[in-house]
Amino acid sequence: GDSVTQMEGPVTLSEEAFLTINCTYTATGYPSLFWYVQYPGEGLQLLLKATKADDKGSNKGFEATYRKETTSFHLEKGSVQVSDSAVYFCALAPGSQGNLIFGKGTKLSVKP
Amino acid sequence: DAGVIQSPRHEVTEMGQEVTLRCKPISGHDYLFWYRQTMMRGLELLIYFNNNVPIDDSGMPEDRFSAKMPNASFSTLKIQPSEPRDSAVYFCASSSQGSKAGNTIYFGEGSWLTVV
Repeated sequence: GDSVTQMEGPVTLSEEAFLTINCTYTATGYPSLFWYVQYPGEGLQLLLKATKADDKGSNKGFEATYRKETTSFHLEKGSVQVSDSAVYFCALAPGSQGNLIFGKGTKLSVKP
Repeated sequence: DAGVIQSPRHEVTEMGQEVTLRCKPISGHDYLFWYRQTMMRGLELLIYFNNNVPIDDSGMPEDRFSAKMPNASFSTLKIQPSEPRDSAVYFCASSSQGSKAGNTIYFGEGSWLTVV
């Protein structure tokens, strides 16, 4: 079945460091791909998304490119801030269904 | 516009008691989802509805769990009887047309359940 695999955390970085969180997926057809972020004590909120191959989603300095050939949707940010500390979830929308399938999440801690 | 509203935000209950979690989706949304989050299992889809009809309940762990959506603006998730292993954060989420074509699913702030 469809699934999402993302890198294990936690990830600890210093402020202004470069961030990459890897995400790969298995799916039939051409799913839409998402990154959600969960700040401490809050629900998940959409960070960015891409709906077709080679699309790049971006928001708040974060970027991810939908790579069909490598079935990947890696999250990147050039310079992280303490306020980026959160749990990041990669997700896919399987085909014509309405739900989302999430990865296990990667906890990011950014130190000043 | 108000987001997805969940209640209670926090609940501590004794094993064996009935727990009812409530959700008000965003007005106009036709999909509603219940997810459970734990450290061990991550984020799991329990059930989702489309136009108040359950579409997929394969994630509901066992018969102790039930979910209803009597109308477009209200849903409940009930656990009876509750057990300590049910302790988790339960999220309700809603969306217009679900995740199709990249539509966003909006999450509530969660109901933090502790069963002692």
